[in-house]
Amino acid sequence: DIQMTQSPSTLSASVGDRVTITCRASQSISSWLAWYQQKPGKAPKLLIYKASSLESGVPSRFSGSGSGTEFTLTISSLQPDDFATYYCQQYNSHSYSFGQGTELEVK
Amino acid sequence: EVQLVESGGGLVQPGGSLRLSCAASGFTFSSYWMHWVRQVPGKGLMWVSRINNDGSSTDYADSVKGRFTISRDNTKNTLYLQLNTLRAEDTAVYYCARDQAVVRGYDFDYWGQGTLVTVSS
Repeated sequence: DIQMTQSPSTLSASVGDRVTITCRASQSISSWLAWYQQKPGKAPKLLIYKASSLESGVPSRFSGSGSGTEFTLTISSLQPDDFATYYCQQYNSHSYSFGQGTELEVK
Repeated sequence: EVQLVESGGGLVQPGGSLRLSCAASGFTFSSYWMHWVRQVPGKGLMWVSRINNDGSSTDYADSVKGRFTISRDNTKNTLYLQLNTLRAEDTAVYYCARDQAVVRGYDFDYWGQGTLVTVSS
């Protein structure tokens, strides 16, 4: 099974900061990588699919990049609503898995 | 409007069984792969199972293989997860989610609100 490792586990930042979260796969997953945002008590929300495609309705300050085994989610200018937990998710050969999550907290 | 509404969660004893349902509306259910994903409260997301659009193909996480069964009824627009031989470590919120595999790739664009399964004596 493919393991997904996110870093950092916790990220402290301020409104207006540019932040980057990294997700590494234990083997190549091409571009089958998605990013989600989750707030307490809520279901995850899709932000990015196929590594770099922005989901409809998601603000353009969110962007994704990468392929193969290394991927990044970037928020260009943090807004108050962005403080949440972020997960990457991969697909490969009939199996899916998530990273352990990155909690983005107020500095 | 796309809606996914889970039901069937509750308290069950170790070794017991439960069937979860996910009622779908607002889209052509029979055209989409569907998934179950679970989350222990306060912890991360774990993929559980996937079924293709006509129910002919399924996949499971190793930790639930042989104990859980995913199925669907496209005439009722409903996804199911049969949970058997439940263990304390199966305690979690169970989400159903829609997969965009048929259209663009393997991401989950809509999620239900989740149903809590608690396995305890």
